[in-house]
Order: sequence, then C-alpha cells, then structure tokens
Amino acid sequence: DAMVIQNPRYQVTQFGKPVTLSCSQTLNHNVMYWYQQKSSQAPKLLFHYYDKDFNNEADTPDNFQSRRPNTSFCFLDIRSPGLGDAAMYLCATSTGIDEQYFGPGTRLTVT
Amino acid sequence: QQQVKQSPQSLIVQKGGISIINCAYENTAFDYFPWYQQFPGKGPALLIAIRPDVSEKKEGRFTISFNKSAKQFSLHIMDSQPGDSATYFCAATGNSGYSTLTFGKGTMLLVSP
Repeated sequence: DAMVIQNPRYQVTQFGKPVTLSCSQTLNHNVMYWYQQKSSQAPKLLFHYYDKDFNNEADTPDNFQSRRPNTSFCFLDIRSPGLGDAAMYLCATSTGIDEQYFGPGTRLTVT
Repeated sequence: QQQVKQSPQSLIVQKGGISIINCAYENTAFDYFPWYQQFPGKGPALLIAIRPDVSEKKEGRFTISFNKSAKQFSLHIMDSQPGDSATYFCAATGNSGYSTLTFGKGTMLLVSP
C-alpha cells in the first residue's frame, strides 16, 4: 500500500512556466519534507513542515515555495523553473523522530 | 561543510561476495544512523538503522557496524546478489524534537552475476 504518494511521477514544463508538484501521505505523520535530487547526488533538503511550522533551508532558492494545507498534503511550487531545476523531487514524511519515509519522486524536466 | 563522509563512491562486487560501505561523521550530537537503498528512478527506501548504544545490528544479509569512539559506521552486505545493485546512502540525524537527515554522498553498488 502506497504510504507517500507523489503526483505526477513525470512532469515536463517550459523554462519560466510555474509548476506545482504534489505529495500526499496516509501515515498521518507530523513532518513532511521536500528534497531535490540531481543525478548521482544525495537528496538535498529544500524545506520541511513540522505540522504547520515551515522550515526553510538557508540555501533553498526563493524560486521554490511550499504549501501544506492539511496534515495529508504538501505542495512544492517552482515559480519560474530554470534548466538547473531539472531534477527528481522527493517528498518524505516522518513522525519527527528517526525514520523518514520517501515517496517515489517526481522527475521534472525543463525545456 | 559535509558532515557525513561516505566511501567508496562506487563498488563492484561479485555475486556471493561481501559489499562494505563506510561512513564517518563529525557531529557528536548525531544519535541515529540509517542506511537508505535507492534504485534508479525510485525514492530512497530505509534499509536498516542503528543507534549508538549498540555496536552492531543485523537484519538478514545486511549488517551495520558502529564505532562510536571513531565516529564511524559501515554497512556490510553478505552474499551480495545482483538485485542488491543500487545506490546506498548513509545518513545521520540528531533527536532534537524533529529530525532532518544529513546524507552521505552515496555509493553506487554493482553486483556482477
């Protein structure tokens, strides 16, 4: 049973055209994370929510924003995607202690 | 500043052999050390994890060895199989109320038939 669901799995957008990626969870976890992963690299944390408390990593570009309307859903908005934003975007959840559960990711292509 | 150093970057092991991946950390506040396995095009999946109060944890063919004084931990895959071919990430976190993972750079493992 899918516990962390990401939609779409593949997204193609044009340079500069806003895009939104979606994550939902059935685990009822307090914490939700967004990571960016480029080829052959480790996941890089962009930001996370502890309940409604938003925590932005210092080096996350302003171009990236997030919304968490409720416990189950979290969105990643890329306001003006550049070619360098092409990557796998991973959503993860946790209770706030220890294990993080990752979704399958959304592969973003910028043309 | 990279707080978790992982080696090797890539590893080729014959089927049936032992795969060993090493990690070292700097932050003494870390108290939880998971390993993630990632197949191409998939999200990372938790493989096995350890806390510093034990020196070894074994789950099936996978074993974590932990050396608190040296601030090092390693993953051993016994009887490696072609299906184990994946990228492995070590990580560390401190229990500060909510956890953010610090990842190593990853090891690409290829198990040859």
